[in-house]
Amino acid sequence: AQSVAQPEDQVNVAEGNPLTVKCTYSVSGNPYLFWYVQYPNRGLQFLLKYITGDNLVKGSYGFEAEFNKSQTSFHLKKPSALVSDSALYFCAVRDISTSGTYKYIFGTGTRLKVLA
Amino acid sequence: GAGVSQSPRYKVAKRGQDVALRCDPISGHVSLFWYQQALGQGPEFLTYFQNEAQLDKSGLPSDRFFAERPEGSVSTLKIQRTQQEDSAVYLCASSLGGFNNEQFFGPGTRLTVL
Repeated sequence: AQSVAQPEDQVNVAEGNPLTVKCTYSVSGNPYLFWYVQYPNRGLQFLLKYITGDNLVKGSYGFEAEFNKSQTSFHLKKPSALVSDSALYFCAVRDISTSGTYKYIFGTGTRLKVLA
Repeated sequence: GAGVSQSPRYKVAKRGQDVALRCDPISGHVSLFWYQQALGQGPEFLTYFQNEAQLDKSGLPSDRFFAERPEGSVSTLKIQRTQQEDSAVYLCASSLGGFNNEQFFGPGTRLTVL
């Protein structure tokens, strides 16, 4: 079965510094990976996805993620953090059942706190 | 806006009551998903519709949970005889369909069972 792991419950970073939120995956076949962000009392918002192609994927709000096949990782990054980036971040992998239907498998989430 | 909407946003139920949670997906979105998000956890898949067909209900935790999407648009998640362990945020998501398209999530319904 497909799975993702987010090893850090919380990440603290100073405003203006680069940030990294970690995600590792375990899949059979080619991984289809996603990052979502969740702000308080709001639904999850799509940030970016990796399907195929370039290992560096650029997404919304200046975020990017690097797909690393040898390390089975898909870390989320941003060169310069903003206080407004403080939120809960979820990594997800697409899973396809034997019947051909698909769903997302989410990690447990990482809370990012950007300090002014 | 034209996003996914869910109602009610908050629901308090006494143990044993039945509840119905509604999801209005983005117009034209073929795929619709329901997830359950417990406090401090990531969303967990419950069920998936393609148009009106429920193609996967493997995530429904018990036969007290039932979902429908009779006309391929609005969906309702029903929980019968609610239990305290059903307390969670229930998220609905829709997508254009196809395996590569991202899902658009609603704000969720927070269910509290007393």
